[in-house]
Amino acid sequence: AQTVTQSQPEMSVQEAETVTLSCTYDTSESDYYLFWYKQPPSRQMILVIRQEAYKQQNATENRFSVNFQKAAKSFSLKISDSQLGDAAMYFCALSGGYQKVTFGIGTKLQVIP
Amino acid sequence: GAGVSQSPRYKVAKRGQDVALRCDPISGHVSLFWYQQALGQGPEFLTYFQNEAQLDKSGLPSDRFFAERPEGSVSTLKIQRTQQEDSAVYLCASSSRTGPNTGELFFGEGSRLTVL
Repeated sequence: AQTVTQSQPEMSVQEAETVTLSCTYDTSESDYYLFWYKQPPSRQMILVIRQEAYKQQNATENRFSVNFQKAAKSFSLKISDSQLGDAAMYFCALSGGYQKVTFGIGTKLQVIP
Repeated sequence: GAGVSQSPRYKVAKRGQDVALRCDPISGHVSLFWYQQALGQGPEFLTYFQNEAQLDKSGLPSDRFFAERPEGSVSTLKIQRTQQEDSAVYLCASSSRTGPNTGELFFGEGSRLTVL
C-alpha cells in the first residue's frame, strides 16, 4: 500500500513572497513518481511538477521547485514570487510500481495581495 | 478534443435514483481513470481503463457503481440506487501512457453529484 500525508490544511502567503507546502509519503516500491497537482476553485486539476524517485536532482518548473528527501520520504513544494493566480488547492500525489496514483487530502493556499 | 470533457457538470438526484456520468477523454489517450473526491478530501481512485479494457476496478465502493468504455474512448460511470454518501465530485482523467501509475494525468472539471 502507498500513503500520502499533507499535514497543512491551509497556508497563506503574501504576494511576491515564498511559501513551502509539505508532504510525506510511504511506499514499499523502489521505483516511484511524486507529483504536485494544483486545483483552482471550480477548475480542473493540473500537474504542477513531477519528480522521479531515482533522480537525485530536485525538479524545478519556473517558480515551482521541490525538495525531495528520499530517505525521509518527504516531498515539499516551494512556490517563489507567489502570484494571485497561485491560490488553489495543492495535492501531493504518489505512484509506485503498478499501483494507481494516490493523492493526499490537499493544502489550501491563500495568496494575500 | 482539446481537453477532458465531463458531463453533466452538476447533477442532483433523489436517493434511490440511477445516474450516469460521462467522460470524453483527450483524443488518442489510451488510459482513463475515474476518481471520487468527497468534500475536503483528495481524489480517491475508483477504476482504470486501458483502451476498452477495465484493468482495475478495485476502488469502486460497491456493486452499485459500474463503469464502461466500450469503444476505448468515451467512458460512462453509472451509479445505481444512489445514496447520500455518494455525494461527491467525480473526476475523470486521461493519459497517453499506459499503466495505472502513469502519474501525469489530464483531468476534466468533474461532475458534482448531490444526492438528496
